[in-house]
Amino acid sequence: GESVGLHLPTLSVQEGDNSIINCAYSNSASDYFIWYKQESGKGPQFIIDIRSNMDKRQGQRVTVLLNKTVKHLSLQIAATQPGDSAVYFCAERIQGGKLIFGQGTELSVKP
Amino acid sequence: ETGVTQTPRHLVMGMTNKKSLKCEQHLGHNAMYWYKQSAKKPLELMFVYNFKEQTENNSVPSRFSPECPNSSHLFLHLHTLQPEDSALYLCASSHEGPGTDTQYFGPGTRLTVL
Repeated sequence: GESVGLHLPTLSVQEGDNSIINCAYSNSASDYFIWYKQESGKGPQFIIDIRSNMDKRQGQRVTVLLNKTVKHLSLQIAATQPGDSAVYFCAERIQGGKLIFGQGTELSVKP
Repeated sequence: ETGVTQTPRHLVMGMTNKKSLKCEQHLGHNAMYWYKQSAKKPLELMFVYNFKEQTENNSVPSRFSPECPNSSHLFLHLHTLQPEDSALYLCASSHEGPGTDTQYFGPGTRLTVL
């Protein structure tokens, strides 16, 4: 079945450095991808999305890259701050409209 | 605040209890969802409602019973749960039907079944 997985379960970065969180997806027909951030005790919060007809999209301090050739999605956070510490997970929209979520990567920012 | 509220935030119940989780969205959305989030596992979609009609039931056991009286409110009625049902239950909403646009999540209800 479809699955969305993350390469690393945890990521530790120094404050001010850039963070890169990766996601592999398995369904080549997926047409829409979302990154969510989930802080402790809170629900997932939408960060940024990208459609399959794009390969890059930028937001405020975040950039999502999509490589359809290798079915890979990444989230780049510039100048990582302590407030960025959270679990990040990606989701893909498969045929029929269902969202499939990844397991999550825990980002820890060291001061 | 995402515009989606859930109550209670924490719930402890015995296996013979009956309780209900409540979700309310203030975003004017038409679709609402229940998800289960267990430790170290991806979000699991449970139910989908679109314009108050249930459009998806992801093989959820009958001890979970959803109710959607209107597009702004969603309930999850719980009875005779098992300890393995302990998890974070998340409600979400989106403007149109499932998969058409971004889903916005509530803070969740942390459920513990003793």
